[in-house]
Amino acid sequence: AQKITQTQPGMFVQEKEAVTLDCTYDTSDQSYGLFWYKQPSSGEMIFLIYQGSYDEQNATEGRYSLNFQKARKSANLVISASQLGDSAMYFCAMRDPSSGGYQKVTFGTGTKLQVIP
Amino acid sequence: DAMVIQNPRYQVTQFGKPVTLSCSQTLNHNVMYWYQQKSSQAPKLLFHYYDKDFNNEADTPDNFQSRRPNTSFCFLDIRSPGLGDAAMYLCATSSLADGYNEQFFGPGTRLTVL
Repeated sequence: AQKITQTQPGMFVQEKEAVTLDCTYDTSDQSYGLFWYKQPSSGEMIFLIYQGSYDEQNATEGRYSLNFQKARKSANLVISASQLGDSAMYFCAMRDPSSGGYQKVTFGTGTKLQVIP
Repeated sequence: DAMVIQNPRYQVTQFGKPVTLSCSQTLNHNVMYWYQQKSSQAPKLLFHYYDKDFNNEADTPDNFQSRRPNTSFCFLDIRSPGLGDAAMYLCATSSLADGYNEQFFGPGTRLTVL
């Protein structure tokens, strides 16, 4: 069974500083995908970034980058130049390849990030 | 813009009174999902449709049912809501044709049970 672990229930960061949100995972599959989602207080889950297990380079999307260390089974999200609008809940998730075509996703418990002015 | 729409955004029902939540999408995705998310917890998958094929998670209570009359719409029916069913309900879609197969989420419906 797959498992996603986010050990930081809450984080604070100063505006304009960078922050790293931790995510470790456990799977016996060789092929898998890792996602990060942002959930503001409004409730909508917003897709941020994706890393495939066979991707050799770390994924980047604007101010978001994923620090993928396959041997350590970690997929940390790095947010550069934090903005007040980054205050939200952040979920790490992994796609379960054994789920077949519909792509079941397992979510971590989330990290609540608060950006301080 | 293509999107996932959920109505209503807020729903209040009484204990035991059936309630239906709706989800529609303009993305033409073949997979639709319903998640339940309680306060400060991760979303929990209830079930999903792959086209018209319905797939229930093993631990989803019988009290929860779903319908997908066409590609665009999907409904979540709670037959007899209990106080423990108060939660945010998230609808999501994905397409197997897309590279990442990431799920696109709607804004959610926050259900209150009195």
